[in-house]
Formats: sequence, structure tokens, C-alpha cells
Amino acid sequence: EVQLLESGGGLVQPGGSLRLSCAAPGFILGTYAMSWVRQAPGKGLEWVSLVDTRNIGIYADSVKDRFTISRDNSKNTVSLQINGLRAEDTAVYYCAKGRGGSYPESRTLDFWGQGALVTVSS
Amino acid sequence: IQLTQSPSSLSASVGDRVTITCRASQGVSSDLVWYQQKPGKAPNLLIYGASTLQSGVPSRFSGSGSGTDFTLTIYSLQPEDFATYYCQQVNSFPLTFGGGTQVEIK
Repeated sequence: EVQLLESGGGLVQPGGSLRLSCAAPGFILGTYAMSWVRQAPGKGLEWVSLVDTRNIGIYADSVKDRFTISRDNSKNTVSLQINGLRAEDTAVYYCAKGRGGSYPESRTLDFWGQGALVTVSS
Repeated sequence: IQLTQSPSSLSASVGDRVTITCRASQGVSSDLVWYQQKPGKAPNLLIYGASTLQSGVPSRFSGSGSGTDFTLTIYSLQPEDFATYYCQQVNSFPLTFGGGTQVEIK
């Protein structure tokens, strides 16, 4: 059974940093692209970042230069390092699995975790 | 690429046929995906490639379109279908979602 388990969310002050992790018990994460998608309270979905099977990250303009996505295939995890947090980064962050490793399957998200809440407030 | 969903919300009864549209600001070929999200839950993949039903999704869900205009149709709405629906384009980065369509009980 595919499972995605996010961790690392919490309350952070503006300008602070956080590292979200996504563990994938039950399947080998290495052959799939993985994405992070966020949802601000009461708002819609916003794609944040994708890491391909070569560990190359792609980012939304709103988070470029502040967020870093990476994968550790030996630990079967994906991480999102978030720096310079702003109030508008407050959201539930979902880790999601691509259907495959290459376009377009890599960008189609077939399994999602339950999300990690990040709250940016002083 | 901007995706515009319409309507933003609708009220319907069990058994109704519901149609949601998604318009892209530029052509995305057939690289259009539909998700369903229920309150407090993660999104669930319904349709990819504009018209291919994800495994396990009931056949009352149907997707169509290509280029800039896409449609999600729910034939015979069921109680478990009351949710918010999002389209997503996967043609080019940055990946983008539509604003969502909330389907409510009439």
C-alpha cells in the first residue's frame, strides 16, 4: 500500500526556517518524481516544487531561492527545506507522488500524504 | 499558464449531471488533470491526460477536451461526490491549478 507520511510542520516566526520530510513506507520512492503542494487556510491548491529522479528540483516562482527540495533514496524520503518564512507561507504542505519518473506522468500526482501544517506567525 | 474554472461553486441534487469547465490561458495539449478534495482531506486523483480515468475511480466521472478547454462531467451525482474539484495543467512549469469548484448539496 502506498503511504506518504509528512513530518516537520509547526509554528515558526517570520524569517525562520523549517524542514519538512516525507517518508514513503511501502514503495520505492526512487523511481518516481515527487512534489510538494500547499494549501493556505480556506484557499485552493498551489504547486510548490518537484524533484525528479535525478534529484533535480523545480520551483514555483513564489518560493524560488527560499525553498530547497531534495531526495534521499537510501532513506526513501523527500525533504523540503524552507528558509525566510513569510506569513503567506502559512499552509498545509502536502507531499505527493508522481505517477512515474518522466513527463507527463511525473507531474500527475496519484498519491498524497495527509499534509503538514506550517504556521508562520510572531 | 493560468487555469480558470467555472463555476466556482454549484448546488446540485443526488442524481444530477454536473459539468465543470477548466480553461487554460494557453494550450496544454491533453496535459490536464482533475482532482477531488473533501474537507480536511488530501486531494484524490480522478482523471489524467484530460480523459483517462484513474484506477478505482467510478465510471460516472468523465473528462474531455484538449488545447485550452476542458470539461469534467459527473453523471448521476452521488452523496460521496460532494466535494471541491480542481484542474491542474502538467504541460509546463510552473505547474498550476485552477481555483476549484465546490459542489454542494441542493
